[in-house]
Amino acid sequence: DTGVSQDPRHKITKRGQNVTFRCDPISEHNRLYWYRQTLGQGPEFLTYFQNEAQLEKSRLLSDRFSAERPKGSFSTLEIQRTEQGDSAMYLCASTYQGASTGELFFGEGSRLTVL
Amino acid sequence: SQQGEEDPQALSIQEGENATMNCSYKTSINNLQWYRQNSGRGLVHLILIRSNEREKHSGRLRVTLDTSKKSSSLLITASRAADTASYFCATVNSGNTPLVFGKGTRLSVIA
Repeated sequence: DTGVSQDPRHKITKRGQNVTFRCDPISEHNRLYWYRQTLGQGPEFLTYFQNEAQLEKSRLLSDRFSAERPKGSFSTLEIQRTEQGDSAMYLCASTYQGASTGELFFGEGSRLTVL
Repeated sequence: SQQGEEDPQALSIQEGENATMNCSYKTSINNLQWYRQNSGRGLVHLILIRSNEREKHSGRLRVTLDTSKKSSSLLITASRAADTASYFCATVNSGNTPLVFGKGTRLSVIA
């Protein structure tokens, strides 16, 4: 399977714990995006990388959130000291960036439940 | 923030009927894209229309774009039960900005 892969698919944690999600993009894609989606809403942009450089972060990304993309391959999204409001689906997407943002290829998401 | 607003929020139709969903946005765009999401799954890209295009077709999908009204529509013809999903429009405001998604239309196609 050469699609975008996310792990874990589901994570249940207690408030205050740290969680980390991993995303493996399509191999030739240089751009990687993280979005968050709550029930009944559209995906909300969190951050994106071009190769290993983090180019933009949303105001939604509080200082408890950190994302990395070492060596421009896979990416991790860590949430420290989780809160119940962090419960959501975390979506990763990748694309090969041309002149403008084109089609994004999404993974199946990592669903976080904070108790 | 979410730029696109889909209308209606929910739509229920019989199999074989056509489904039309609308999207309005607020700022100038480079392109507009439609995505589909089955419950609990990731999003799948359906079609992209650039700001200088007015209409595009892909199989049973027809997308229109009216930049003067800042609106787009997605038409699914001869709908099938398998088309049941949420449909989102997403806009690119300038060359390399991230996609901004709307809240989506939940389509139910009843067999």
